[in-house]
Amino acid sequence: GEEVAQTPKHLVRGEGQKAKLYCAPIKGHSYVFWYQQVLKNEFKFLISFQNENVFDETGMPKERFSAKCLPNSPCSLEIQATKLEDSAVYFCASSLEQGPSYEQYFGPGTRLTVT
Amino acid sequence: KQEVTQIPAALSVPEGENLVLNCSFTDSAIYNLQWFRQDPGKGLTSLLLIQSSQREQTSGRLNASLDKSSGRSTLYIAASQPGDSATYLCAVWRGSQGNLIFGKGTKLSVKP
Repeated sequence: GEEVAQTPKHLVRGEGQKAKLYCAPIKGHSYVFWYQQVLKNEFKFLISFQNENVFDETGMPKERFSAKCLPNSPCSLEIQATKLEDSAVYFCASSLEQGPSYEQYFGPGTRLTVT
Repeated sequence: KQEVTQIPAALSVPEGENLVLNCSFTDSAIYNLQWFRQDPGKGLTSLLLIQSSQREQTSGRLNASLDKSSGRSTLYIAASQPGDSATYLCAVWRGSQGNLIFGKGTKLSVKP
């Protein structure tokens, strides 16, 4: 598609439950990025993929967060055993290639509320 | 460690006014800088991308400048309109990995 699609729009989970978020990048884009936006507009980079391969995972909390981008499927971000501090908006972005000439196009985000 | 700061945090102006939003970054070795707009409850819309070798980019009423040596970028909005009300974020492209480091944004309100 011509836009980055993210589902669901909203997700509510009780503390300790699992949460799974999905992202379909723009068709033809090779790179996918996940960001977390918490209160006060603070964006944090989580992980990026080049096609189905992890490109950079320096921002990922290793213990409970995992992500995948499999061929012919939406990318996913999964949080096992959610905590209150995971409440945030999770944005996915995609770019045609990796490099400073290439804009990142963002999806509408998934708002995760952990109660 | 790269840090991106945006001043002011909020700005309210009357319709028709020209305005400037500021973005500063601590490490001048950036590859590019991107300005975004975020409407409440929405995603990010890319406004302008400035390569490190460029000094400015223009799109309609928007003009973004980049001064790497001083670690600053400005977004100039001409003849502001109520529809320009949104949060404006700047982000720099980090190193070879390509992920963006964001400022906390400037919340702009344009009053009719």
